[in-house]
Amino acid sequence: SYVLTQPPSVSVAPGETARITCGGNNIGSKSVQWYQQRPGQAPVLVIYYDRDRPSGIPERISGSNSGNTATLTISRVEAGDEADYYCQVWDSNSDHLYVFGTGTKVTVL
Amino acid sequence: QVQLVESGGGLVKPGGSLRLSCAASKFTFRDYSMTWIRQAPGEGLEWISSIRGDGDTIYYADSVRGRFTISRDNAKNSLYLQMNSLRAEDTAVYYCARVAPRVGDRYFDLWGRGTLVTVSS
Repeated sequence: SYVLTQPPSVSVAPGETARITCGGNNIGSKSVQWYQQRPGQAPVLVIYYDRDRPSGIPERISGSNSGNTATLTISRVEAGDEADYYCQVWDSNSDHLYVFGTGTKVTVL
Repeated sequence: QVQLVESGGGLVKPGGSLRLSCAASKFTFRDYSMTWIRQAPGEGLEWISSIRGDGDTIYYADSVRGRFTISRDNAKNSLYLQMNSLRAEDTAVYYCARVAPRVGDRYFDLWGRGTLVTVSS
């Protein structure tokens, strides 16, 4: 089964940059998505196909993917960015066809 | 607006059954594959089942295969999850989600707000 590993938490001061990693075996060969889940709310897609943003997602949020690590970058962090973030890939060889990362809680100091 | 609304959650005893529903609005429901995803309290997201637009192709995670059944009624713009032989570890918020529509898309572009299922005696 394919495993995606994220750091449990990331802390960042307002105005600074948060980087959230998602590690997986040769993840660079897969398409990676990122979801933001604010407390008590449903997840929201913020990045798809490694680096594309749905309409309404600010340019401050960006993604990259290479080798064994995908990264979600949030620039000029705001209080409203405090949330859990999950990466996701599709793996036809896994029990769970859609594989989610372990999740990272972003805390804005 | 375009939305998904789940219902049917509640408290059920171990071994019991429950049927979840998801009502879709303001998009052509039959054109989309649909999915159920769950999140145990304080835990991460777990994909459990998907169904294609025509209802003919269905996938399950091993954790629910043989106990849960996904189905849809395109005439009613509705998705369902029949859950049997429920266990304590099935306790979670269950989300209905839409799979993005292009061929090869493998992600979820619309989520419902979820419905809580609690399995406890």
